[in-house]
Amino acid sequence: SAVISQKPSRDICQRGTSLTIQCQVDSQVTMMFWYRQQPGQSLTLIATANQGSEATYESGFVIDKFPISRPNLTFSTLTVSNMSPEDSSIYLCSVPGARWETQYFGPGTRLLVL
Amino acid sequence: GESVGLHLPTLSVQEGDNSIINCAYSNSASDYFIWYKQESGKGPQFIIDIRSNMDKRQGQRVTVLLNKTVKHLSLQIAATQPGDSAVYFCAENKILSGSRLTFGEGTQLTVNP
Repeated sequence: SAVISQKPSRDICQRGTSLTIQCQVDSQVTMMFWYRQQPGQSLTLIATANQGSEATYESGFVIDKFPISRPNLTFSTLTVSNMSPEDSSIYLCSVPGARWETQYFGPGTRLLVL
Repeated sequence: GESVGLHLPTLSVQEGDNSIINCAYSNSASDYFIWYKQESGKGPQFIIDIRSNMDKRQGQRVTVLLNKTVKHLSLQIAATQPGDSAVYFCAENKILSGSRLTFGEGTQLTVNP
């Protein structure tokens, strides 16, 4: 499985500000995924990020709120814009396995918005 | 709509006992079903998956059973250890829909020494 790192591991932010989360993979991957995990809840897919094209967002998530960059095959960023306390969550990136049968996750970024 | 859900939100077992975590799903078009373990402060860790055309798959101390007739998935952990304490999620994967995962609600497994 791929080794995935995320920065920052955690942050405390003021409402109205923005935070950019980085995801780095140790191998080249076509697709990367961004998930949100609200406190005590399961994971919800935010968007799929392909290198060289615009990210595809799931229902309920929009580019203005969660802009994503995918500059190369090993890196992606997710920005949480104009944050409110409701954005307090764990944000996780993932990559598919070799046969696309599963996904492997990074350690997550724990965000608290005050 | 389509959903993947769990029967029990919490499960408490004694060390050495076998654990069974259940999951119900509603979409029969999924290609794979996956179990993840998430320890406190960490990302989900892949445990085992099962292809939709199988009904059983075994790993090290874990067995996943798939009953497509009643759309039920279970994870069995043999000789449960304190290190197995975590939240367990099931997820379904439809590869042709871009391999986007749909997760169940999660079960908190607590292993008592």
